[in-house]
Amino acid sequence: NAGVTQTPKFRVLKTGQSMTLLCAQDMNHEYMYWYRQDPGMGLRLIHYSVGEGTTAKGEVPDGYNVSRLKKQNFLLGLESAAPSQTSVYFCASRSQSGELFFGEGSRLTVL
Amino acid sequence: RKEVEQDPGPFNVPEGATVAFNCTYSNSASQSFFWYRQDCRKEPKLLMSVYSSGNEDGRFTAQLNRASQYISLLIRDSKLSDSATYLCVVNPGNTDKLIFGTGTRLQVFP
Repeated sequence: NAGVTQTPKFRVLKTGQSMTLLCAQDMNHEYMYWYRQDPGMGLRLIHYSVGEGTTAKGEVPDGYNVSRLKKQNFLLGLESAAPSQTSVYFCASRSQSGELFFGEGSRLTVL
Repeated sequence: RKEVEQDPGPFNVPEGATVAFNCTYSNSASQSFFWYRQDCRKEPKLLMSVYSSGNEDGRFTAQLNRASQYISLLIRDSKLSDSATYLCVVNPGNTDKLIFGTGTRLQVFP
């Protein structure tokens, strides 16, 4: 039972490089979320999706783009990485009861 | 005022102690409330939902006070394994977003 899977788990980028984080869930959930977590800041919502083909901005969307072409996948893209985007990124899907199921996190360092 | 606020702690308590955390929320229309637990360098996991009438799960009790707009988590007979960060999560009710508090760190010592 995989649940929510994030890839990659670790990545080091240089400023200006681009990359995509992949989130996959096998629970048939409609809602999916991307958060970033920084020391002392808690989890902050970047973007979210309420179903296939839909996306919406969260609290801190600037510098990120997302796509939800398939229900089970939610992609987070960084077009031109900046050091301020060094963080731990968590993807989550949400059940009908409201429970969030998280992936193990992706640790990104931008030099 | 932040939408969801928690005392960051840390709360350092001995094994066997009872400890309580509060979490305040600003949106009176908030509908759903949860406590999550996060271990160091791990993903958050649901500890328990918080129901209007209050609910208990073993050593853990969660309560909701709508009048004062806070939820609480009580841990009885603390174990070393309870050491973690406890995150308060609120669904404001008028959006599809879930808002996290910054977390309260608990350290249980022998």
